[in-house]
Amino acid sequence: LAKTTQPISMDSYEGQEVNITCSHNNIATNDYITWYQQFPSQGPRFIIQGYKTKVTNEVASLFIPADRKSSTLSLPRVSLSDTAVYYCLVAEGGTYKYIFGTGTRLKVLA
Amino acid sequence: DAGVIQSPRHEVTEMGQEVTLRCKPISGHNSLFWYRQTMMRGLELLIYFNNNVPIDDSGMPEDRFSAKMPNASFSTLKIQPSEPRDSAVYFCASSLIEGQPQHFGDGTRLSIL
Repeated sequence: LAKTTQPISMDSYEGQEVNITCSHNNIATNDYITWYQQFPSQGPRFIIQGYKTKVTNEVASLFIPADRKSSTLSLPRVSLSDTAVYYCLVAEGGTYKYIFGTGTRLKVLA
Repeated sequence: DAGVIQSPRHEVTEMGQEVTLRCKPISGHNSLFWYRQTMMRGLELLIYFNNNVPIDDSGMPEDRFSAKMPNASFSTLKIQPSEPRDSAVYFCASSLIEGQPQHFGDGTRLSIL
């Protein structure tokens, strides 16, 4: 079974850039890496998706190295409202079973 | 646009009872997923459907769990009989096609006493 691990928690101050890395040692070769944000009592909400190199949208960037064994979500200039749990989602190599990362609890401080 | 709709939002019942969770995916989405979230195990995929057909049910814990998708706009997850260890938040998600971003409902918080 693929292991998909993330740091348990991170603290940051408003206005800083935050980078959260997900390690995934065995993912499907032709499927995307996706990141979600979750607030209490809500379902995960899509942030960004990528296959390789770098993807950027209006809220985040996603960096994926060539070996695709990890991915890094970058949140520029975080605000208090970015306090949430962040998850990566990958498809396991071979089985294509979707596996969520262990989640990173981000706390943004004023 | 309406998102993924799950019902009920909360369910409390005694062990041994049958529990049915319901999900209405986003119209036009062809893939539907059921997940379970607990503190101990995080978010786990239970089963997913493509075009109403179950593709991977390897995450279903045991025979007490079953899921159906009788049409493109409705799915159920049933637990019979329920046990206290089934207590969790159950999420339904849908995507346009497999591999595309999944859109989640707000979940059903299930408590089995």
